[in-house]
Amino acid sequence: GESVGLHLPTLSVQEGDNSIINCAYSNSASDYFIWYKQESGKGPQFIIDIRSNMDKRQGQRVTVLLNKTVKHLSLQIAATQPGDSAVYFCAESHNNAGNMLTFGGGTRLMVKP
Amino acid sequence: NAGVTQTPKFQVLKTGQSMTLQCAQDMNHEYMSWYRQDPGMGLRLIHYSVGAGITDQGEVPNGYNVSRSTTEDFPLRLLSAAPSQTSVYFCASSSGLAGPTDTQYFGPGTRLTVL
Repeated sequence: GESVGLHLPTLSVQEGDNSIINCAYSNSASDYFIWYKQESGKGPQFIIDIRSNMDKRQGQRVTVLLNKTVKHLSLQIAATQPGDSAVYFCAESHNNAGNMLTFGGGTRLMVKP
Repeated sequence: NAGVTQTPKFQVLKTGQSMTLQCAQDMNHEYMSWYRQDPGMGLRLIHYSVGAGITDQGEVPNGYNVSRSTTEDFPLRLLSAAPSQTSVYFCASSSGLAGPTDTQYFGPGTRLTVL
């Protein structure tokens, strides 16, 4: 069935470098996308979201890019810090799905000091 | 304001036992959901509720029951636990004001092991 998935299961970056986490989705009806951060032993924490009528959205140190042509979503973290180490999930929903979110499999970001 | 709370944090069951995972939120949110997270995987929706008295099935509802008698509480019941239900369970809530685009707030999770 339709799914949201991630390209890389683990990403290791040097502290201070920029990180890019990618996500592919297959449901062309998806119109809302969210990135979550999950630290060990905790629930997912909202980072940033984007609607399908946008290509880019920026937050504090984070940017989400949406390419609807190739159904691709990315999360960019600037000046990655040790506190950014976590598993990152993308999720999507669409108006016809009510409140249902479909999550990708997650990417583990490891920040080396 | 505690946000979304879940109890217990850890639970071990034997096959065939029943139990209820508790979830409560104090943000007056209309939408509440239950997810399970298996190792190395993303979260999968079990059941959700868009308001008191209203529940619906998610992606993986089999083996689970829910009810929503109040806005604050959304318990998840396992009627006859199976080893395949070993997982981490997360409850989430959102205001419901913006429908699917609402930010969902997650609880800390319940780690369940079924032997």
